[in-house]
Amino acid sequence: AQTVTQSQPEMSVQEAETVTLSCTYDTSESDYYLFWYKQPPSRQMILVIRQEAYKQQNATENRFSVNFQKAAKSFSLKISDSQLGDAAMYFCAFQTQGGSEKLVFGKGTKLTVNP
Amino acid sequence: NAGVTQTPKFQVLKTGQSMTLQCAQDMNHNSMYWYRQDPGMGLRLIYYSASEGTTDKGEVPNGYNVSRLNKREFSLRLESAAPSQTSVYFCASSAPSWGKNTEAFFGQGTRLTVV
Repeated sequence: AQTVTQSQPEMSVQEAETVTLSCTYDTSESDYYLFWYKQPPSRQMILVIRQEAYKQQNATENRFSVNFQKAAKSFSLKISDSQLGDAAMYFCAFQTQGGSEKLVFGKGTKLTVNP
Repeated sequence: NAGVTQTPKFQVLKTGQSMTLQCAQDMNHNSMYWYRQDPGMGLRLIYYSASEGTTDKGEVPNGYNVSRLNKREFSLRLESAAPSQTSVYFCASSAPSWGKNTEAFFGQGTRLTVV
């Protein structure tokens, strides 16, 4: 069974600084997707970034980037130049590729951005 | 473009009552999911459906049943509600993971209270 672990229940960062959120996962699959989703107080789930396991290059989306270490089963999210609007719950997620399409989430990290 | 529509948004049930949460998506997605979100627990997968006519148990299926009525609709039923089922429920859908830019889209959530 796939599991996703986020070891930091809460993190804080100063505005304009950089913060890294950690995520590890466990799977026996070789093909899969990894995601980071953001959930602001509105409860809306918003995709931040995705990474295909077969791609060695780390994904980037503007101020958001990941450090994907497939052998270590690690998938961390780096937020650069943090903004007040980045404050939210962040969830790491894993999806099997093909077949069951099961999508599982970690417990989340609450990010606070201090002005 | 409505995306994923969940109804109702709020519901209060008495212990032992039954109810069905409705979910529909208009993006022609194959995969659909039901999650519950509790403080500190992240999003836990209740049931999922990789395609019309198939359903599979997730991490916390006990006390729930699902129906994949057609490609658009995926309902979640509580036959005899219990206070432990008080939670926020999310429905989601996603395109096949072998496609480019796969992403899960979420409904607005249903806040269910069982008294």
